[in-house]
Amino acid sequence: SQTIHQWPATLVQPVGSPLSLECTVEGTSNPNLYWYRQAAGRGLQLLFYSVGIGQISSEVPQNLSASRPQDRQFILSSKKLLLSDSGFYLCALGPGTPQETQYFGPGTRLLVL
Amino acid sequence: AQSVTQPDIHITVSEGASLELRCNYSYGATPYLFWYVQSPGQGLQLLLKYFSGDTLVQGIKGFEAEFKRSQSSFNLRKPSVHWSDAAEYFCAVAPMTTDSWGKFQFGAGTQVVVTP
Repeated sequence: SQTIHQWPATLVQPVGSPLSLECTVEGTSNPNLYWYRQAAGRGLQLLFYSVGIGQISSEVPQNLSASRPQDRQFILSSKKLLLSDSGFYLCALGPGTPQETQYFGPGTRLLVL
Repeated sequence: AQSVTQPDIHITVSEGASLELRCNYSYGATPYLFWYVQSPGQGLQLLLKYFSGDTLVQGIKGFEAEFKRSQSSFNLRKPSVHWSDAAEYFCAVAPMTTDSWGKFQFGAGTQVVVTP
């Protein structure tokens, strides 16, 4: 079965510091991968998606970037964090066909102070 | 513009009572429809999904949802809630076009509180 790992689970970072959140998946190959952000009191916002190694599409302009160095690894990064980057970041394993379910990882809670 | 609306930010329900969560969408064509549940500090778990066919969809944990094309709605229901149903519920839609598949759009969520 498919499994999604995210780390760290919780992170507190000062404003202006760099960020690296990692997502790895198991039990599948060549998955579509997604990064979502959930800000306090708000729904989920799709940030990036990737259909393969080195292929990244950004959904919204922001202070963040994403990379996919390996088939089952998806990384979310920032060079300088802003207060507004605080939130709950979820990695998702997307369906290749409409009949498949989108699975979500356990999430990383980021607090920027 | 495409949108997903969950009109109720917060709902309080007594244990054993029925629950209905509303979801309305605005899309050019009928999208794929989903309901997810998020327990505190956890990721999202799929409750049910609608692609086509029978407009009443059964999901896990005793939940069901009904798709009404004329109302652009996909409301979630449970006949009798349990204390463990306290969580945040998200409605989501995904376009049916192959180049956009997987790019889910989520509603803002409805927080459900269950009282004894």
